Amino acid sequence: KQEVTQIPAALSVPEGENLVLNCSFTDSAIYNLQWFRQDPGKGLTSLLLIQSSQREQTSGRLNASLDKSSGRSTLYIAASQPGDSATYLCAVNTGRRALTFGSGTRLQVQP
Amino acid sequence: DAGVIQSPRHEVTEMGQEVTLRCKPISGHDYLFWYRQTMMRGLELLIYFNNNVPIDDSGMPEDRFSAKMPNASFSTLKIQPSEPRDSAVYFCASSFVSFYGYTFGSGTRLTVV
Repeated sequence: KQEVTQIPAALSVPEGENLVLNCSFTDSAIYNLQWFRQDPGKGLTSLLLIQSSQREQTSGRLNASLDKSSGRSTLYIAASQPGDSATYLCAVNTGRRALTFGSGTRLQVQP
Repeated sequence: DAGVIQSPRHEVTEMGQEVTLRCKPISGHDYLFWYRQTMMRGLELLIYFNNNVPIDDSGMPEDRFSAKMPNASFSTLKIQPSEPRDSAVYFCASSFVSFYGYTFGSGTRLTVV
């Protein structure tokens, strides 16, 4: 059974800092991995999708990496802003039971 | 495209009543998923469909829950009878070919009192 773990559970940083969110998964036989953002009381917004054959994906200040063999992914946020404050969710697709989600990292960026 | 559309956004009902949640997936997407999110358990897959056919409903908590997809543009999740422990946010998501990214709706916040 696929298990996804996200560390840390919560993170508070001053504005302008670069930061890394971690995601690990137990079954390396994945099709892809997706990072989402969730604002309080809102739905999930897709940030980046990495296919199993890829090592990283970039979108603006966000960069996600994937190391399938070690079961790890990281989400790097450059020059963080207060508007980046949200919960970030990592989700793994093994094709068997759709997406398996981690419990998320709650990020607070202090102005 | 308007994205995945869920209705209602909020639902408050009394214990024992029937609740129906609705979802319209993105046109052309062939997979539809229902998830439930709670503070205690996070996001859990309830059921998913491929080309309107239920593929995996092992996440449906009990017989009180049922889901249908009568056509490619509409799905319902029904709870009958509802209980307070069903209070959660229910999300619908759709995808093309499953191996591409998922798009989530805004969710339905269900409160059973």
